[in-house]
Formats: sequence, structure tokens, C-alpha cells
Amino acid sequence: NFMLTQPHSVSESPGKTVTISCTGSSGSIASNYVQWYQQRPGSAPTTVIYEDNQRPSGVPDRFSGSIDSSSNSASLTISGLKTEDEADYYCQSYDSSNQGVFGGGTKLTVL
Amino acid sequence: QVTLKESGPVLVKPTETLTLTCTVSGFSLSNARMGVSWIRQPPGKALEWLAHIFSNDEKSYSTSLKSRLTISKDTSKSQVVLTMTNMDPVDTATYYCARIRRDSSGYYLVDFDYWGQGTLVTVSS
Repeated sequence: NFMLTQPHSVSESPGKTVTISCTGSSGSIASNYVQWYQQRPGSAPTTVIYEDNQRPSGVPDRFSGSIDSSSNSASLTISGLKTEDEADYYCQSYDSSNQGVFGGGTKLTVL
Repeated sequence: QVTLKESGPVLVKPTETLTLTCTVSGFSLSNARMGVSWIRQPPGKALEWLAHIFSNDEKSYSTSLKSRLTISKDTSKSQVVLTMTNMDPVDTATYYCARIRRDSSGYYLVDFDYWGQGTLVTVSS
């Protein structure tokens, strides 16, 4: 089964840059699009990155996504951190049968 | 605007069957580039994809739950229904329905771009 692995938590100071990784267990992570979702407590997730590196309208350009085929991983980078960025972040993709797959989520603390 | 709303029981007993309905508006279930997925999240835990359905009745299920899940749609009512049999306390979670998109080629699946508010289902006797 295809799995996505994320760090459980990351923390950084306001104004700094943080990168959250998402590593695929098998196959090529580049075979399907990777998405990133932000989830605040008590709310449904919202897309911050889709199609590996595209930002929905309304998402600031401080958010960026990338794929590294050599490490079979995707990354979400948030620059100029703000306290409002504190949330859980999930990577998501699909396996070879088009079944959805979520990473375990990363809790971002901005302190 | 696009909205999705989940409805169903808030409490089910172990071994019972859960039936959840997702009522959508702002898009049609006959749109070939849009589908509806069900995703759940146990309290304090990660998101888990369950199933999706598209306009051509293409369906996909989580391998680990496939034997317990059935997804269907009623395009005329703009509703997608998920049933899960043999409920257990570990199935206690917030259940979300979300719209899923295909990319511009119509082949690749992209993101869940709109989500319902979610409905908390507790499994307890």
C-alpha cells in the first residue's frame, strides 16, 4: 500500500521559513499530483497547494510546493511565518488505483 | 457558490450500519470533471480517505474498508450516499464529504477543493 509520511510536528519563529516534508513509501510520488491542506482546530481542511505546486486564489505566495523525485518526496514551504499559519498540515495524493492517500499530518507551531 | 452538507445519525450502536448523505449545490454530479469523496477524521487523529464517486459512476474504495463501504449517487437529488456496515467504536470520527476535481486533461485526480462542515458520528452502545 502506498503511504505518505510526514513529520509529526515542526516549529519555527514568526518571520522565518519552514519546510514540511512528505515522503512516498513506494513507486514514484511524481506519478500523481500532490496536494497540501491546512486544517485549523474545529474546521474542515482547506487546500493551500494543489497539483504539486499550484496555489488556489486567496492563498498567499508565502506558501509553495515542490516535488523531489530523487528522494520520492514532496515539500511544503511557508516563508515569512505568521502566527495565523499555526495549524495542522496534511499532504495528499493517490495510489496507482486512484485511491486517495493522506499523510499523517504535521502540527506547525509558530512561536 | 459550491456547498456540501453531510447529514446522518450522530450516534450509532456497534454492529449497526451507518448511512450518511452528502447534499451538494453549486455544481452538478453529472459534471465529468467533478466527483465527491468521503473522508473521515477520528478525534485528534489524521484524515483518512474512504471512497469517491464520479459522474460516470466510477467508484473507488479504501482497500482496508472496501468490504464495509458502499457509495452511490442520485444526480437528480444532488446527493451522494455512503453506507458503512458493522460499525465499531474505532469508527467514531468526523465524517466529511468533499468535492474532488480532475485536472484539465480530465485524467488525473487533483484536490478536494470544497468540503462540507463534517458530521461527528459516535459509535457506542
